[in-house]
Amino acid sequence: AQSVTQLGSHVSVSEGALVLLRCNYSSSVPPYLFWYVQYPNQGLQLLLKYTTGATLVKGINGFEAEFKKSETSFHLTKPSAHMSDAAEYFCAVSVTGYKLSFGAGTTVTVRA
Amino acid sequence: DAGVIQSPRHEVTEMGQEVTLRCKPISGHDYLFWYRQTMMRGLELLIYFNNNVPIDDSGMPEDRFSAKMPNASFSTLKIQPSEPRDSAVYFCASSSSAHSSYNEQFFGPGTRLTVL
Repeated sequence: AQSVTQLGSHVSVSEGALVLLRCNYSSSVPPYLFWYVQYPNQGLQLLLKYTTGATLVKGINGFEAEFKKSETSFHLTKPSAHMSDAAEYFCAVSVTGYKLSFGAGTTVTVRA
Repeated sequence: DAGVIQSPRHEVTEMGQEVTLRCKPISGHDYLFWYRQTMMRGLELLIYFNNNVPIDDSGMPEDRFSAKMPNASFSTLKIQPSEPRDSAVYFCASSSSAHSSYNEQFFGPGTRLTVL
């Protein structure tokens, strides 16, 4: 079975500061890894994904994540936060590519 | 494309009533997923279909929950009878296996269910 743990249920950053959201996964086979974003009262939207190949993946809105097998991590970063980044972020893992297991989510607030 | 469409967006009902949530996936997608989101349990996969056939319903909480997909463009999630603990946001998502080895899931806006 696969699972993810998101460290920190809430992160507060200043506008222009680095955004770092932590995700560790557990999987018995090479996983597919995803980050989704959810804005208030909306569904989830895919930010980026890791399947195979390059371990540093770039997504939408300036976000990127690095797959580190040795650390079983897939942390999400953005160099400079914008007010529009305020949302809830979910890390997810899949071993089949079909069935996703989501983390508990991290809420990001951005201070002006 | 219109994206995944869910209806209703909000539903308020009384305990014991039947509730039916509806989903129209993106045209051409062959996978459909139903999720439930609550503060306590986060996002849970309830059931998913491939080519209208239920593949995994292990997340369906109990027999009061049922899901159907009569055709490629429509699915329902039914709760009968409903209970206050069913209050949650229910999401439908769809994906296509046509072009890659994994499925990027596209989510609908969700149905917020309140059971009084």
